[in-house]
Amino acid sequence: DTGVSQNPRHKITKRGQNVTFRCDPISEHNRLYWYRQTLGQGPEFLTYFQNEAQLEKSRLLSDRFSAERPKGSFSTLEIQRTEQGDSAMYLCASSTWDGGYYNEQFFGPGTRLTVL
Amino acid sequence: GENVEQHPSTLSVQEGDSAVIKCTYSDSASNYFPWYKQELGKRPQLIIDIRSNVGEKKDQRIAVTLNKTAKHFSLHITETQPEDSAVYFCAAVEFGNEKLTFGTGTRLTIIP
Repeated sequence: DTGVSQNPRHKITKRGQNVTFRCDPISEHNRLYWYRQTLGQGPEFLTYFQNEAQLEKSRLLSDRFSAERPKGSFSTLEIQRTEQGDSAMYLCASSTWDGGYYNEQFFGPGTRLTVL
Repeated sequence: GENVEQHPSTLSVQEGDSAVIKCTYSDSASNYFPWYKQELGKRPQLIIDIRSNVGEKKDQRIAVTLNKTAKHFSLHITETQPEDSAVYFCAAVEFGNEKLTFGTGTRLTIIP
């Protein structure tokens, strides 16, 4: 499978615990995005990377959230001290950026987080 | 920042009829408008897109129109089939910004 992959697919945790999600983008893609989708809503932008550099963070990304892409390949999204409001589907997407036109973002299957 | 509104939130059409979903955006700097289809429990998938230098684009039964002056764009699905049932999201992208701002989605149900 050469598409975007995410692990785990489902995560159930108790309030106050830390969780970490992983995203493996399409191998030649230099841009990687994280979105959050709650039930009945469209995905909301959280942050994105070009190679290993984090270029933008949404104000939705509180200081409990941190994302990394250390070698410009896979990325991790960590949520510390989870709250029930963090329950959502966390989607990763990747694309190529060549300095010209926008290119399609390909989405992964998502990680569904449930905070009890 | 960009704000995208999408209507209707739900839409039911008879199989074979046409479906139209409309979106408006707020930022005149947005220049790329994709439409995603998301089936239950699955990832969003791009079905068609349009750039700001084009007014209309068609791909088989699916077409998108863009009115830059009015800042709205629409998805048209003709000859609908049961497999078209899904949630459809419009989105807008500002050049250089690259993040997708999504609408709230339209749940389309095709009635056999």
